[in-house]
Amino acid sequence: DQQVKQNSPSLSVQEGRISILNCDYTNSMFDYFLWYKKYPAEGPTFLISISSIKDKNEDGRFTVFLNKSAKHLSLHIVPSQPGDSAVYFCAAKGRVGGSQGNLIFGKGTKLSVKP
Amino acid sequence: DSGVTQTPKHLITATGQRVTLRCSPRSGDLSVYWYQQSLDQGLQFLIQYYNGEERAKGNILERFSAQQFPDLHSELNLSSLELGDSALYFCASSVYGEETQYFGPGTRLLVL
Repeated sequence: DQQVKQNSPSLSVQEGRISILNCDYTNSMFDYFLWYKKYPAEGPTFLISISSIKDKNEDGRFTVFLNKSAKHLSLHIVPSQPGDSAVYFCAAKGRVGGSQGNLIFGKGTKLSVKP
Repeated sequence: DSGVTQTPKHLITATGQRVTLRCSPRSGDLSVYWYQQSLDQGLQFLIQYYNGEERAKGNILERFSAQQFPDLHSELNLSSLELGDSALYFCASSVYGEETQYFGPGTRLLVL
């Protein structure tokens, strides 16, 4: 039973265009959401986060949007660069099952940005 | 560089054996988390320690155990290893347990 779902295993985008990565969740108790980027043979690197009291958070080329009613969040990368090619993980946390700190991850979306 | 270190980077062992993975959190972080990433799987939470005490447990097998020492480094012990335990094991840390977690580079375990 996946509580955090990334339904697109892969995404290919042209350099300079927008990349949109999507994530859906099922548990309304989640109150904090994060995006991580992961290169092969490295650990996940924190990108950007958003609290459930907000609907948008921006950091440079990265913007995360949260739609609580739809239990959906998305990561926008504008403009996309070849160095953005990596696997992107969506993660959520909240007071779920007695735990409030651990992250629940989606399975990731592999982004390829072509020059 | 996240500031979280993990050793060893790679580990090859045989079924039935026991191994210990080590993690040093970022300076000042009190919480340590362990995650497992198997082939084609996302990261699965195993266990969390906060300032030396176990705080939360996830999908951790009884053959696995962990501890956090007074200097805040943590060790994950995996025993009676099976082929299916082959995976990437990540450690993450955060200041208290409510904020962003920063991940180490991982330990790749191969059980033959």
